Amino acid sequence: DTAVSQTPKYLVTQMGNDKSIKCEQNLGHDTMYWYKQDSKKFLKIMFSYNNKELIINETVPNRFSPKSPDKAHLNLHINSLELGDSAVYFCASSQRTGYEKLFFGSGTQLSVL
Amino acid sequence: DQQVKQNSPSLSVQEGRISILNCDYTNSMFDYFLWYKKYPAEGPTFLISISSIKDKNEDGRFTVFLNKSAKHLSLHIVPSQPGDSAVYFCAGLGSGGGADGLTFGKGTHLIIQP
Repeated sequence: DTAVSQTPKYLVTQMGNDKSIKCEQNLGHDTMYWYKQDSKKFLKIMFSYNNKELIINETVPNRFSPKSPDKAHLNLHINSLELGDSAVYFCASSQRTGYEKLFFGSGTQLSVL
Repeated sequence: DQQVKQNSPSLSVQEGRISILNCDYTNSMFDYFLWYKKYPAEGPTFLISISSIKDKNEDGRFTVFLNKSAKHLSLHIVPSQPGDSAVYFCAGLGSGGGADGLTFGKGTHLIIQP
């Protein structure tokens, strides 16, 4: 039973399209995240979200928006996809009581053609 | 601005020997460090962590050492096993806690040779 699951695993799309990546966690955590691993292999946080607060990394374009229908889900919507958006996107969750470890999903490989 | 640096993109070690993965950081505000392990086509998984008030933390075959004055930490795996072949990410966390501030290095690909 996967703790953090995200779909799809692979996403190939044309420039200019709008796409979504879904994420669900069954750990009962109250905070979820989206990370991006770019071509240089850095894992960088894009958003963190709990039911009270959305924290956005200031470098993230506003074409990217997280949407959380409930505490167990945090989806990522991307508008007007660009070539530079090609990367692996990881969803993660944690329980915010201090120095928590993150639990990651298996990633979504996004390729923009 | 790389606040966490893993200068070895890859490391090859014989099975049974010790693997030492290094990590340097520049942010003096980091007071907690974590190591994650990642297999291909999977997400990173937490491996071990250390608080800045300690200089060593051990968990089975895995030991993390922290040298605050040198802003350097290392992960020791002994003995190395084939299943340890993976990419290892070092991450630093600023004071105040919470995973928002996790800053990752680029990772080191560890290859255990039979």
